[in-house]
Amino acid sequence: AQTVTQSQPEMSVQEAETVTLSCTYDTSESNYYLFWYKQPPSRQMILVIRQEAYKQQNVTENRFSVNFQKAAKSFSLKISDSQLGDTAMYFCAFMKNFGNEKLTFGTGTRLTIIP
Amino acid sequence: DVKVTQSSRYLVKRTGEKVFLECVQDMDHENMFWYRQDPGLGLRLIYFSYDVKMKEKGDIPEGYSVSREKKERFSLILESASTNQTSMYLCASRLTGGLYEQYFGPGTRLTVT
Repeated sequence: AQTVTQSQPEMSVQEAETVTLSCTYDTSESNYYLFWYKQPPSRQMILVIRQEAYKQQNVTENRFSVNFQKAAKSFSLKISDSQLGDTAMYFCAFMKNFGNEKLTFGTGTRLTIIP
Repeated sequence: DVKVTQSSRYLVKRTGEKVFLECVQDMDHENMFWYRQDPGLGLRLIYFSYDVKMKEKGDIPEGYSVSREKKERFSLILESASTNQTSMYLCASRLTGGLYEQYFGPGTRLTVT
């Protein structure tokens, strides 16, 4: 079974700084999908960024980018120029390439942006 | 714009009661999911459904059942609520296919006393 590990339960950074959230996973699959989801306080979970494993190039979405290291099974999220609205729980998730549509989530990182 | 709605934001039930949590999505998604979210444990999958009347157990199905009679609606049932089922319950839906986004409902915070 796949597992997803987020080793930083909580982080805090000053507004406008850059922060990196770590995520590692364990799988024997060669192709799969990785996601970062964000859950703001008292608000719905939303997708931040996604990556297909066979595409080695790191994905960037505005201020959010990933560092995907397939051999190391690492999928970290970098937030540049952090804003107060980035305060949230962040979850890393894994999905196999075929079979059912199940996502396996990590335990989350609570990120606080300090004004 | 995809919308996933859940019947209640907050619910308080007594031990032993039968509890129904309802979830509705409006974008014709094949797949629907029920998770529970607990501090330090992340999201754990209870059940999911990939088609009407089809269901599969997730990682923690014990004490729960589900029903999907219509494509847009997925219900989670606690047959006899217990205090250890006090939690946040999240419903989600998505299309079939690797990179499709999974859309979440606002959650139901269930307290069992």
